[in-house]
Amino acid sequence: KAGVTQTPRYLIKTRGQQVTLSCSPISGHRSVSWYQQTPGQGLQFLFEYFSETQRNKGNFPGRFSGRQFSNSRSEMNVSTLELGDSALYLCASKGGGTYNEQFFGPGTRLTVL
Amino acid sequence: GENVEQHPSTLSVQEGDSAVIKCTYSDSASNYFPWYKQELGKGPQLIIDIRSNVGEKKDQRIAVTLNKTAKHFSLHITETQPEDSAVYFCAAIARAGSYQLTFGKGTKLSVIP
Repeated sequence: KAGVTQTPRYLIKTRGQQVTLSCSPISGHRSVSWYQQTPGQGLQFLFEYFSETQRNKGNFPGRFSGRQFSNSRSEMNVSTLELGDSALYLCASKGGGTYNEQFFGPGTRLTVL
Repeated sequence: GENVEQHPSTLSVQEGDSAVIKCTYSDSASNYFPWYKQELGKGPQLIIDIRSNVGEKKDQRIAVTLNKTAKHFSLHITETQPEDSAVYFCAAIARAGSYQLTFGKGTKLSVIP
């Protein structure tokens, strides 16, 4: 079974621009969560989508948004980029039922200049 | 909300020795505790997890123990090998009914050949 894929792997943007990151979960998984990883703050939860609906949201400003499509692929968007948005953005895929196992993709490394 | 503390932040061991990483959590309602291994340039990889109705779980050279009363859980790696060198993260589900993971700050494990 193919793992979680994220595109692009690397991205360089300048302040004020916006960016869209993509995540394709493991086949059959309907839940996708996004996390931001920085050296200072560690891994922080952004939001979770299930069946095209946002089910949970972390403590990030409204500049961070996401969506999920009917094929479970998810995108996250960051508008008006700030230097502090430079981070590794990780997506995690979760299967159904009561199992909580979440599997991460390789991440998208975003650098804001 | 949930808070997860992880110690130590760095750990160096000789090849063949054991390594122990400890985490504490704050929310007594947390019921799922995964451990992830992250190698340079990769996303976190789920290596073992434990649910709150179990006190210990083993998988070959790795084991996790959970003390619900004290709200702490630990990762034990025996017979360490150079390929065990990585950053290890503990996590806990933030609240019952949620799949949001709250992570510890990570432990950089170095196995010296």
